[in-house]
Amino acid sequence: EADIYQTPRYLVIGTGKKITLECSQTMGHDKMYWYQQDPGMELHLIHYSYGVNSTEKGDLSSESTVSRIRTEHFPLTLESARPSHTSQYLCASSWGGVLGYTFGSGTRLTVV
Amino acid sequence: RKEVEQDPGPFNVPEGATVAFNCTYSNSASQSFFWYRQDCRKEPKLLMSVYSSGNEDGRFTAQLNRASQYISLLIRDSKLSDSATYLCVVGGGSQGNLIFGKGTKLSVKP
Repeated sequence: EADIYQTPRYLVIGTGKKITLECSQTMGHDKMYWYQQDPGMELHLIHYSYGVNSTEKGDLSSESTVSRIRTEHFPLTLESARPSHTSQYLCASSWGGVLGYTFGSGTRLTVV
Repeated sequence: RKEVEQDPGPFNVPEGATVAFNCTYSNSASQSFFWYRQDCRKEPKLLMSVYSSGNEDGRFTAQLNRASQYISLLIRDSKLSDSATYLCVVGGGSQGNLIFGKGTKLSVKP
């Protein structure tokens, strides 16, 4: 049973809307990550956090922003959604990465 | 050179076949190694960690060669349910993050 939860699972939204993708984990992990993945393509790290009040940009430039006010919560926000943001967004967490990452089920975002 | 490189695939094999995936990594200081499995339109899931001495989990065997910076995954007696994309993952990236390979797609046919 997953201990990292993402909501919503699917989201279809109009261009220009502000959206927040939720990610919560109950494992007490210090590190959390956001990945973007298009169908059949590789994972791209867009944001990560090493703990409360820590956020860093990943390898792939993204117009999204993140916050880490609580250990268990790492939401991702798009201020103005565009069709180019259509993708799957995967959240993950870990204890320092040594034991690997645990992924949430993902949010499949479609911007029309 | 990419940090983690995998066989391009796809691998199309019959049930019962033995299939091997290879992976090379560029950072000689890497300390942790994993194989993940990702089903179509699902999240990646940890298949197994890879240890220096090699390790086995049922039909799956992982090997690590630090000198060659090479990791392998062997699947014996392939099942239809093994069809998925297999991701080679290496620790020790910038800020200690894991580096994911692009993945190799496996399709097991009846």
